[in-house]
Amino acid sequence: GENVEQHPSTLSVQEGDSAVIKCTYSDSASNYFPWYKQELGKGPQLIIDIRSNVGEKKDQRIAVTLNKTAKHFSLHITETQPEDSAVYFCAASSVGNNRLAFGKGNQVVVIP
Amino acid sequence: DTAVSQTPKYLVTQMGNDKSIKCEQNLGHDTMYWYKQDSKKFLKIMFSYNNKELIINETVPNRFSPKSPDKAHLNLHINSLELGDSAVYFCASSQGRESSPLHFGNGTRLTVT
Repeated sequence: GENVEQHPSTLSVQEGDSAVIKCTYSDSASNYFPWYKQELGKGPQLIIDIRSNVGEKKDQRIAVTLNKTAKHFSLHITETQPEDSAVYFCAASSVGNNRLAFGKGNQVVVIP
Repeated sequence: DTAVSQTPKYLVTQMGNDKSIKCEQNLGHDTMYWYKQDSKKFLKIMFSYNNKELIINETVPNRFSPKSPDKAHLNLHINSLELGDSAVYFCASSQGRESSPLHFGNGTRLTVT
């Protein structure tokens, strides 16, 4: 099955700086790559996703890039704010399958 | 509000007891899930139902039994609770069976003493 690795496990950034989280996946058939943000005491919430027919997608301060050849995708958060502090999960799934394989999560801490 | 809601939010119980967690979604989705999140935040799928049909049944003890009375509800019943069952359990839903976003509830923190 799909195996998703996520790095780093913890990331601290100064407010206003950028944060980048990288994930790698193992199944070349994977074609859907969502990112979830989990705040304390809440469930994970989808913040952005990308499908394999595009290489990059942006939504305001967040962007995701996908490199299918290298089998990795990254989340970029620009101009970080304290409310960006959370655990971020990447995930991957393939055609005909809604069994999302999640990474182990990144704790992002934005220092005011 | 449109959402995935699960009850209770907190559940503290003793070993050996039987407990249930309820989940309801009003998003009109036809697929629902149960995930377990351990103390290290790792999210692991347990079950998935599509239109009341079980489609994913991961390797979980048979003390865990999901029940889907209709496509808007997926409950989780746990028999003979053990210390290792302590975790946060998330219900989620999605539209369709393929590559679609999951909508999670806010979790039920189960503590077994």
